[in-house]
Amino acid sequence: DQQVKQNSPSLSVQEGRISILNCDYTNSMFDYFLWYKKYPAEGPTFLISISSIKDKNEDGRFTVFLNKSAKHLSLHIVPSQPGDSAVYFCAANWDQGGKLIFGQGTELSVKP
Amino acid sequence: KAGVTQTPRYLIKTRGQQVTLSCSPISGHRSVSWYQQTPGQGLQFLFEYFSETQRNKGNFPGRFSGRQFSNSRSEMNVSTLELGDSALYLCASSLRVATPNYGYTFGSGTRLTVV
Repeated sequence: DQQVKQNSPSLSVQEGRISILNCDYTNSMFDYFLWYKKYPAEGPTFLISISSIKDKNEDGRFTVFLNKSAKHLSLHIVPSQPGDSAVYFCAANWDQGGKLIFGQGTELSVKP
Repeated sequence: KAGVTQTPRYLIKTRGQQVTLSCSPISGHRSVSWYQQTPGQGLQFLFEYFSETQRNKGNFPGRFSGRQFSNSRSEMNVSTLELGDSALYLCASSLRVATPNYGYTFGSGTRLTVV
């Protein structure tokens, strides 16, 4: 049972444009959502998170939006840069502990 | 500030053998979690330790076990290795439990290949 889903395995965007990565979840008990970026042969790097009591969190070029009624969150990267090319994972947490449920990942390619 | 250190980086084992992987968290971090990454299943939670106690366990068979020492270093052990255990094993550490907003800092992982 996939509780966190990233339905797009890949996304290609032109440099300078907006990248929008999507994530859907099924468990309404989730109370924190996180986005991680991963390069090959490296561990995931934390990007940004959002609490379920908020609908938006912004950090520089990265903004995460949460739509609880639709059980959907998205990560916006503006403007996109070639260095943003990586696999992006969304993850969810509900017991304030270390157990994160990850989506399958979306590979972002930003073309110059 | 040193990051999360996982050793070894690469490992090749034969079916039926056992393996022990090590994780040294960031200094001061007391929570350590382990994940398995495979192409088919993505990142899956194995276990979480805090102050030497297992706080959470994922849906893996009993062949997978772990422990945490008083200095917060953690080890995971896989016995009777199967081909399907070939994966990247990732360790993540955090200051304490209940800090999902900080994000967990991951190590670079141990690439285990079972032949």
